Amino acid sequence: GQNIDQPTEMTATEGAIVQINCTYQTSGFNGLFWYQQHAGEAPTFLSYNVLDGLEEKGRFSSFLSRSKGYSYLLLKELQMKDSASYLCAVRESGGSYIPTFGRGTSLIVHP
Amino acid sequence: DAGITQSPRHKVTETGTPVTLRCHQTENHRYMYWYRQDPGHGLRLIHYSYGVKDTDKGEVSDGYSVSRSKTEDFLLTLESATSSQTSVYFCAISYSGTSYNEQFFGPGTRLTVL
Repeated sequence: GQNIDQPTEMTATEGAIVQINCTYQTSGFNGLFWYQQHAGEAPTFLSYNVLDGLEEKGRFSSFLSRSKGYSYLLLKELQMKDSASYLCAVRESGGSYIPTFGRGTSLIVHP
Repeated sequence: DAGITQSPRHKVTETGTPVTLRCHQTENHRYMYWYRQDPGHGLRLIHYSYGVKDTDKGEVSDGYSVSRSKTEDFLLTLESATSSQTSVYFCAISYSGTSYNEQFFGPGTRLTVL
């Protein structure tokens, strides 16, 4: 099984940078996903990490350290539209290979 | 956007009645999933399918059954709905189950069991 931990809620200011952390415990790591979910909408894919290091995609970056069981999503130049929940999902090797989701972090961006 | 639709989008029903939710995809993806999302719990897997007539249980499968008779359709049935099944239900699809392939989610169905 997996234990995935994310902060429940974070607040930040428009134009700033925010880092959303995700820690996990798994017996066999096989990839980590980040999804964004606006209120009342479906989750949408943001990023995928399977090797250590930083993956950059425009204003969003995702980092992974497999040895520490740790990932973060970095959002730069925050915009009001970035107010959403951010879901971390970890896939374990063996079994179904279906990612398990954390409870999500609700990010509120203030003007 | 991936072609995934869910029906109905909203439903109110009474305890003890059967309910079927439909997920339809136009992507010809092999894998389909049903999740429920509740405050404080995040997304939890109910059942999934890895092909026509091939399904398996997820984390919270009690009280739910599924069927997949065609690649494009994945049905979730609550045989006798209970208030604890009030939730938002999301269907998802993915091209593959094991390699790097993100899941694409449908718009969701909000189910209320009175």
